[in-house]
Amino acid sequence: NAGVTQTPKFQVLKTGQSMTLQCAQDMNHEYMSWYRQDPGMGLRLIHYSVGAGITDQGEVPNGYNVSRSTTEDFPLRLLSAAPSQTSVYFCASSYRTGQGATYEQYFGPGTRLTVT
Amino acid sequence: GQQVMQIPQYQHVQEGEDFTTYCNSSTTLSNIQWYKQRPGGHPVFLIQLVKSGEVKKQKRLTFQFGEAKKNSSLHITATQTTDVGTYFCAGTGNQFYFGTGTSLTVIP
Repeated sequence: NAGVTQTPKFQVLKTGQSMTLQCAQDMNHEYMSWYRQDPGMGLRLIHYSVGAGITDQGEVPNGYNVSRSTTEDFPLRLLSAAPSQTSVYFCASSYRTGQGATYEQYFGPGTRLTVT
Repeated sequence: GQQVMQIPQYQHVQEGEDFTTYCNSSTTLSNIQWYKQRPGGHPVFLIQLVKSGEVKKQKRLTFQFGEAKKNSSLHITATQTTDVGTYFCAGTGNQFYFGTGTSLTVIP
């Protein structure tokens, strides 16, 4: 198993450009999520999905879109990049989550994004 | 919304000293998980606590879940340079609520 893969590893964008961060997992996990990590801010949830066709907003969703057409893939789209979106982005997946049972999250290696 | 805070934000210790990080939630948590992130790496799952008052050990690491399920702690005995990194707690529910993390530096 490859686990959780993310591409690209590094990206530099100009303000106003759009791009898609790719995330894929091969563990048949229901739950997938995107976080951004900034110094001193911990991991902040952007969007998450509890299954194909179902997505929801996290703590900091503005400026980002997601879709989940398959179990394996969960791309994150930046609509119009801004310098405030300079960050490290992590994708994560989990077998399941919910009030009844929770399982560990597996994280991808991250994408380091700089917006100039 | 649910908030999970961790203290301290940073901790520097001499190798061999003990280390503790504390996690506090504004609401009762279903479960709590702990993750470790090495510098330049990604978070890696350490453990999950489920029951009120639960204590679990992994070698030199001791994890506790409070009786009210609103706080948790991670204690490392006799730190080693391999313990360097940031430790995160995460409360669980329909999503994961990560704490702000504690960055541990171990001075040889």
